[in-house]
Amino acid sequence: AQKITQTQPGMFVQEKEAVTLDCTYDTSDQSYGLFWYKQPSSGEMIFLIYQGSYDEQNATEGRYSLNFQKARKSANLVISASQLGDSAMYFCAMREAYFNFGNEKLTFGTGTRLTIIP
Amino acid sequence: ETGVTQTPRHLVMGMTNKKSLKCEQHLGHNAMYWYKQSAKKPLELMFVYNFKEQTENNSVPSRFSPECPNSSHLFLHLHTLQPEDSALYLCASSQVAPGPGNQPQHFGDGTRLSIL
Repeated sequence: AQKITQTQPGMFVQEKEAVTLDCTYDTSDQSYGLFWYKQPSSGEMIFLIYQGSYDEQNATEGRYSLNFQKARKSANLVISASQLGDSAMYFCAMREAYFNFGNEKLTFGTGTRLTIIP
Repeated sequence: ETGVTQTPRHLVMGMTNKKSLKCEQHLGHNAMYWYKQSAKKPLELMFVYNFKEQTENNSVPSRFSPECPNSSHLFLHLHTLQPEDSALYLCASSQVAPGPGNQPQHFGDGTRLSIL
């Protein structure tokens, strides 16, 4: 079974609207971390936001927020007031057993291509 | 320079050539990574170096040979590659420390490799 599932291969959103990118994950660990990355056409993977499994509050970073529903094993990324520069691939990733020193392995989903329409 | 720098950005090589990809991080991190990104597939972790020691080799064919001479530099030596090795190769770095592993990996722009 896939550890990270992103069910939306592509999305088109009108500029200034909010957008939610879905991510579900599969793990038996109690301690894990979830990351979202943005990859523009240039290729660089840009870190956006992080959520730890023990964090009580949903993470927020500027226009990015994470809708973390632990019981449903979902960690959806919400982008408010979308901009043309938000057009890119978005990847959800998970690090399991994240209290284990040296365990830095990230597992990525297949990504969602977001296109913002003017 | 800041961040993670990868050279070259693009590389075209024949199957019998030998080439190397270079990665340099200017973030003071102690771990570095190689990833392979193929079309329509999840990012695949290839190698992990913690404190210059290789801690992960994710069943990568021996035609890929990593080298980490110090905590700031990482190389991927390539020889006798196959057409299916054409992909974007991404380097990343992070700061590994005890406690919650909430430190993100920082990526370079990647090297787009094409095998003829």
